[in-house]
Amino acid sequence: QLQLQESGPGLVKPSETLSLTCSVSGGSISSRHHYWGWIRQPPGKGLEWIGSIFYTGSTYYNPSLKGRVAISIDTSKNQFSLTLRSVTAADTAVYYCVRVGRSGTSDWFDPWGQGILVTVSS
Amino acid sequence: SSELTQDPAVSVALGQTVRITCQGDTLRTYYASWYQQKPGQAPILVIYDKNSRPSGIPDRFSGASSGNTASLTITGAQAEDEADYYCNSRDSSDSHVIFGGGTKLTVL
Repeated sequence: QLQLQESGPGLVKPSETLSLTCSVSGGSISSRHHYWGWIRQPPGKGLEWIGSIFYTGSTYYNPSLKGRVAISIDTSKNQFSLTLRSVTAADTAVYYCVRVGRSGTSDWFDPWGQGILVTVSS
Repeated sequence: SSELTQDPAVSVALGQTVRITCQGDTLRTYYASWYQQKPGQAPILVIYDKNSRPSGIPDRFSGASSGNTASLTITGAQAEDEADYYCNSRDSSDSHVIFGGGTKLTVL
């Protein structure tokens, strides 16, 4: 059974860089049938797609993050990572890593990691 | 920019049928997927690619799409179905993903 687990600091100072890693177990991150992605949820609010990556390194990002975001993949470690630069309090959220299914007409996220709360505060 | 609109809250009597909707222009081109999220838990996928159910999801959950509206129907709602439900779709760029604002379902 595929499982995803987020790891990283739970507290980041304003203007600094948020870095998270997702470790994948029970399956290969080099699958040609799936992408891998990050989604976040501010406390009490809805879901926001951050971006997705293929095992080749091809990426798609939410344009609202204005170039602050980067997602990378390490197939040797079966992990992928999120970097978000110049964070503000608005970036405080639970961050989820997900496996992404894609067809010609839809994207879906399954399974999800348990999520990690990242608070931006001095 | 593209967006998906959901009713903030819907209620249903125990055992009755409820339809949760998601509206947006991109749904004329792309199918919605649906997620259930209970308090303090990660979302789980309940419907994908318009009307496919992952293994383990009860068959009382079904999806449909017409025009600019996608819908999630729960036939015979159970107490454990009380949760927030989110839809997502690809946006007009064909590479980015958008989510609806979520619908809080109350089972009375």
